Amino acid sequence: DAGVTQSPTHLIKTRGQQVTLRCSPISGHKSVSWYQQVLGQGPQFIFQYYEKEERGRGNFPDRFSARQFPNYSSELNVNALLLGDSALYLCASSHHATGFYEQYFGPGTRLTVT
Amino acid sequence: AQSVTQLGSHVSVSEGALVLLRCNYSSSVPPYLFWYVQYPNQGLQLLLKYTSAATLVKGINGFEAEFKKSETSFHLTKPSAHMSDAAEYFCAVLTGTASKLTFGTGTRLQVTL
Repeated sequence: DAGVTQSPTHLIKTRGQQVTLRCSPISGHKSVSWYQQVLGQGPQFIFQYYEKEERGRGNFPDRFSARQFPNYSSELNVNALLLGDSALYLCASSHHATGFYEQYFGPGTRLTVT
Repeated sequence: AQSVTQLGSHVSVSEGALVLLRCNYSSSVPPYLFWYVQYPNQGLQLLLKYTSAATLVKGINGFEAEFKKSETSFHLTKPSAHMSDAAEYFCAVLTGTASKLTFGTGTRLQVTL
């Protein structure tokens, strides 16, 4: 079975630009969460989506937005990029039947802002 | 607010030696706790989870963790380290209705010959 997939693998953007990251959950999982992992730190929660509705949001500015599609895939958008947005962006999917407790992570998208 | 603290940002053990990675939690309600492993340039892999059932939890790759309420701890252990265990390990607690994972700062495990 395929795990969580993310695209692209790597991305280089310039300050002020906008970026879109994509995530496909494990088949049967209807919830997707996004995390930001800055080098040398643990991941920080950004969003959780379930059945296309935002279920939770972390302490991130409005420049960060996300959405979930009918096929449960998700996009994370970041506008007006700052140098501090450089990080590994991780997507995790979970199944509602387990109460979303078990979150399975994708390989991440490494974003570099110059 | 629920949080976890990982003691020791770097731990070095010899191959075959006991691995002990420390995690303490802070929670006003019974916590759901997790250990994840991250290999270089990869995502996170779930090692094991505690969800208020058995206090001794067995995970993949020979790892286990014991939930101790009296010590607010959830330390990760493995009896005999292998070179392939070298990685970053994160302790996490599930918080809030959004099923948000709050991670510790991580412990880098080095295994030497």
